[in-house]
Amino acid sequence: AQRVTQPEKLLSVFKGAPVELKCNYSYSGSPELFWYVQYSRQRLQLLLRHISRESIKGFTADLNKGETSFHLKKPFAQEEDSAMYYCALSTPNTNAGKSTFGDGTTLTVKP
Amino acid sequence: GAVVSQHPSWVICKSGTSVKIECRSLDFQATTMFWYRQFPKQSLMLMATSNEGSKATYEQGVEKDKFLINHASLTLSTLTVTSAHPEDSSFYICSATPGQPWQPQHFGDGTRLSIL
Repeated sequence: AQRVTQPEKLLSVFKGAPVELKCNYSYSGSPELFWYVQYSRQRLQLLLRHISRESIKGFTADLNKGETSFHLKKPFAQEEDSAMYYCALSTPNTNAGKSTFGDGTTLTVKP
Repeated sequence: GAVVSQHPSWVICKSGTSVKIECRSLDFQATTMFWYRQFPKQSLMLMATSNEGSKATYEQGVEKDKFLINHASLTLSTLTVTSAHPEDSSFYICSATPGQPWQPQHFGDGTRLSIL
């Protein structure tokens, strides 16, 4: 079975400080991993996916297969980064491609 | 592009009523849509996978007779909560993607269901 763990429910940092949101997964095959973000009063939206290896809004995430992790990082947090962040895993060609979500981390960036 | 519209956004009704929620892909076709339930301050729990032209696939523990799913076209899936009771009160969200189901999802705004 696939599982996604986000150990921190709440994370608070000051503006300009580095931030790391942790995500660990368990899946025996080759998963697709994503970070979704939900800003206040907005719908859930894709932030980034591991396969694209992009930096979106200054965020990056590296897939570490050895540690089965996909932590989200940003070197200098901004107040507008305050939101709920979900790590998610999907499995190409199995389980109808459905996604499994972590419990989410609420990030607060203080001025 | 890739907009998913969900309607209604909020519904309040009496216990015993059936409630239908619509999920539409506005600018793409989706053979697969997903329905989630989200409890306050908790994660999204996948309820079922909606497949166009065939029966939905329900997750373990989800009552298929309580949560009826119909995916009659490539742009519309509906979730009907039958004979709703207060314990069915929750936030329901749908998602879809123009690509393969395992690719990034596009989410609706969600429907807040309150059963009195």
